[in-house]
Amino acid sequence: GDSVTQTEGQVTVSESKSLIINCTYSATSIGYPNLFWYVRYPGEGLQLLLKVITAGQKGSSRGFEATYNKEATSFHLQKASVQESDSAVYYCALSDRGNMGYKLTFGTGTSLLVDP
Amino acid sequence: GGIITQTPKFLIGQEGQKLTLKCQQNFNHDTMYWYRQDSGKGLRLIYYSITENDLQKGDLSEGYDASREKKSSFSLTVTSAQKNEMAVFLCASSMGASAETLYFGSGTRLTVL
Repeated sequence: GDSVTQTEGQVTVSESKSLIINCTYSATSIGYPNLFWYVRYPGEGLQLLLKVITAGQKGSSRGFEATYNKEATSFHLQKASVQESDSAVYYCALSDRGNMGYKLTFGTGTSLLVDP
Repeated sequence: GGIITQTPKFLIGQEGQKLTLKCQQNFNHDTMYWYRQDSGKGLRLIYYSITENDLQKGDLSEGYDASREKKSSFSLTVTSAQKNEMAVFLCASSMGASAETLYFGSGTRLTVL
C-alpha cells in the first residue's frame, strides 16, 4: 500500500533560521501521486498548506516551499526564515487512486516549535 | 465559505459500548472521509464515501461502521469501544473523488473508560 514517511517527530528552530522537514513517499498507483503538506496550528483544524500534482514542480505558500522529486520520491518542506507563528504540526500526504476513488495517505506529522 | 461540523467534540464511553460520531458539511462536496489520529501515528483512513449511500473501507475499518444517508452528512459508529482507547477522529470532505484538497472538521476526542 501507499506510505508517507516523516522522520522527525519534533523539530525546534530559532526564529529567523531556516527549516527543512523531510518527507518521502511510496505510492502504488501506475501514475504519479499528488503530494500535499497540511498544517495544524494550535487550536485550529487541519488545513491545506500547499500541494503539487506534477512531478518536478514546486509548490509554495506562506513562505514555505516543497518540490516534487519523483526520482528521490521526496517532497521536503522548506522555509528560509521561520517565524514564531509557524509553530504547528505539519503533515505530508499523498493522494493515490484506490479501488474506488482517491484516498489521502498521511505521514505521522512533524511538530515544529520556533523559539523566539 | 463552508464549514465541517463534528459532534460531539468530546465523547466518553464505556468498554463495549456502541458510540456514534456525526459530521455535517455545507460545502456541497461529493466525497467525505473519516480519519483516526493517534499520537505518533499520523492520520489513518477508516472509511470514505464518494457519494450519498456509498461506503468504501479504508485501512482501519475493522471495528467501525459508517453511514452516508445524505450528501451533507457522514456518521461513524464505533461498534464496541475498547477500554483505554483514546484517539481523535477527524471528518473531512472534498469536492470530487480525486482527494485534491480536503477540508477538515475540528475533531471528536474519544476516551473509553
